[in-house]
Amino acid sequence: DAKTTQPTSMDCAEGRAANLPCNHSTISGNEYVYWYRQIHSQGPQYIIHGLKNNETNEMASLIITEDRKSSTLILPHATLRDTAVYYCIVPTGAGGTSYGKLTFGQGTILTVHP
Amino acid sequence: DAGVIQSPRHEVTEMGQEVTLRCKPISGHDYLFWYRQTMMRGLELLIYFNNNVPIDDSGMPEDRFSAKMPNASFSTLKIQPSEPRDSAVYFCASSLLSASEQYFGPGTRLTVT
Repeated sequence: DAKTTQPTSMDCAEGRAANLPCNHSTISGNEYVYWYRQIHSQGPQYIIHGLKNNETNEMASLIITEDRKSSTLILPHATLRDTAVYYCIVPTGAGGTSYGKLTFGQGTILTVHP
Repeated sequence: DAGVIQSPRHEVTEMGQEVTLRCKPISGHDYLFWYRQTMMRGLELLIYFNNNVPIDDSGMPEDRFSAKMPNASFSTLKIQPSEPRDSAVYFCASSLLSASEQYFGPGTRLTVT
């Protein structure tokens, strides 16, 4: 099962891009990378996922390195409401997205300041 | 869609009492998950269902915990008897097809005194 490593905390100025790194050096070829976040006192929120190619949606962009050993979640214009714990997860279990157990680690505490 | 609905949002009970937490998943979702979050242990998966059938309950801490899903739109997590160490926030989540893309409810904050 691929483990992930994230920095404990990061800061970002409001309006700037927040780039959150994640290492997953033991990821296998058919395992996806998922990102979730948890704003204080709320349930976790799905952000984005990817396999090989870069992905973008209305919330964020996900950049996965060519060797797939690391990825970066990008919030292009961070706001105060983006202050949260961000989790990078490689679901365990069956490969692909058919089922993968989510194991939430400690994540990265992102603080967006004015 | 209203999203995943959990009730109650807060529950305070005395040790030894039975506690029942409720969850309504997003309509049409075929996976349902129960998680528990504490400061010490973080967010842990307790059990999950697929098409109302329990698939993996390896995260259920002990026999005092039980979960049911009588139909596609309702699930319960029951603790009997409750103990102070059960105090936590309990989240329910649901997903469609891709079980890793889960949508979480607001949680139930349980305090056992």
